[in-house]
This record gives sequence, C-alpha cells and structure tokens, in this order.
Amino acid sequence: QQQVKQSPQSLIVQKGGISIINCAYENTAFDYFPWYQQFPGKGPALLIAIRPDVSEKKEGRFTISFNKSAKQFSLHIMDSQPGDSATYFCAAIPILTGGGNKLTFGTGTQLKVEL
Amino acid sequence: EAQVTQNPRYLITVTGKKLTVTCSQNMNHEYMSWYRQDPGLGLRQIYYSMNVEVTDKGDVPEGYKVSRKEKRNFPLILESPSPNQTSLYFCASSFFAGGYGYTFGSGTRLTVV
Repeated sequence: QQQVKQSPQSLIVQKGGISIINCAYENTAFDYFPWYQQFPGKGPALLIAIRPDVSEKKEGRFTISFNKSAKQFSLHIMDSQPGDSATYFCAAIPILTGGGNKLTFGTGTQLKVEL
Repeated sequence: EAQVTQNPRYLITVTGKKLTVTCSQNMNHEYMSWYRQDPGLGLRQIYYSMNVEVTDKGDVPEGYKVSRKEKRNFPLILESPSPNQTSLYFCASSFFAGGYGYTFGSGTRLTVV
C-alpha cells in the first residue's frame, strides 16, 4: 500500500522555468512533510519541509504548497537552474499524532533542467 | 563533520556469496535505518533500529539481516544474495525515532550476478 503518491516520475524544464512536483497522501495522521533532494552518486538530503498548520513555506527559490483538505502538497522550484537537476522525493511522517511514526517516501521525480 | 559513512560504495558479487555492507554514524543518533532504492519504486525501508540491540523489519526485509551491537554501527548482511537484490542501498540515521531529520549515507551500489 503506497501511502504517498508522487508525480510526475520524470520532468524536463527549461532554464528559468518553474518545476512543479506533486504528492498526495492518504494517512491523515501525517503531520510533517519534508522534501528530499538527491544528486547522482549522493544520498538524499533534506531540502525543505512543512507542517500542516501553514499552507505555504518558501525558502529561496523552493516553495512547498500544502492543501490539507485535499491531502496534497507540492514542491515548486522557481527560476529552475541546471544545478537543480536531481531526483526529488516527497515524504510524510506522523510526529505529534504518533501511530508508530515512520517516514514514508514518495516514489521520486527525476528533474532535468535544460539550458 | 556530521556524517553517515557506508562501505563499500560499489560491490559486485555472485549469487549466494555472503556479504556485509557497513554503516557508521558519528552523530550519536539512536535511530538508524536501511533503505533500498529502485527505479520507479523510490526508497523502501529494509530494517530499522531504535537503539542498541533493538531492531525491527521494515517494508522489504526478506533476504536481509541487520545487527546493532554498538550505537554508531548498523551493518546490513546479505547471507545468500540473489540477483533481485541488485539495487542502490542507503543507510540513514536520525536523532528522532521514525526518521524525522534523517541524514543519509552516500549509498552502496550492489550488483549480484
């Protein structure tokens, strides 16, 4: 049972464009939603995260939009650069709500930013 | 530097030959975990450990073993590797249980022929 569904599987964006990756979850106990960035030959690294008490979080060119009622959240990369080319994983975990807290990952999106 | 160190980075082995992938962290984290990454399937948890001598199965534990004799080390053991275990493996650790705030190692690419 996949509790976090991520789309698209791959994405090609032109330099300067906006990259958008979407995730949907089923478990309403999830209360922390991080995004991980993975460059080739490296392990995933935490990029940005959001809690469900806010609808948006922005860090530089990276923004998470969160829709609690729809159980969806998305990553927007503004002014995408070739250096943003990587695999992105969304994830979710129940922290305060308990329930055997364990980080559940989406299936990943391979982003390529072309010149 | 705070880090999770995995060895080896690359490994090619034959079916049935026992192997161990080591993982060590220097952050005094209690929670450690092993994942495998396969195209289209994302990161799937193999085993995790809440603390020394406390381990439990993740989502895909078949064919793997782990041990946690020391807080810093969490080796992954494949006693009889098979080709379907060809994958990219990651060790991760976190201060909090469950993986909140994970630090990942750089990965071990395993090929079983």
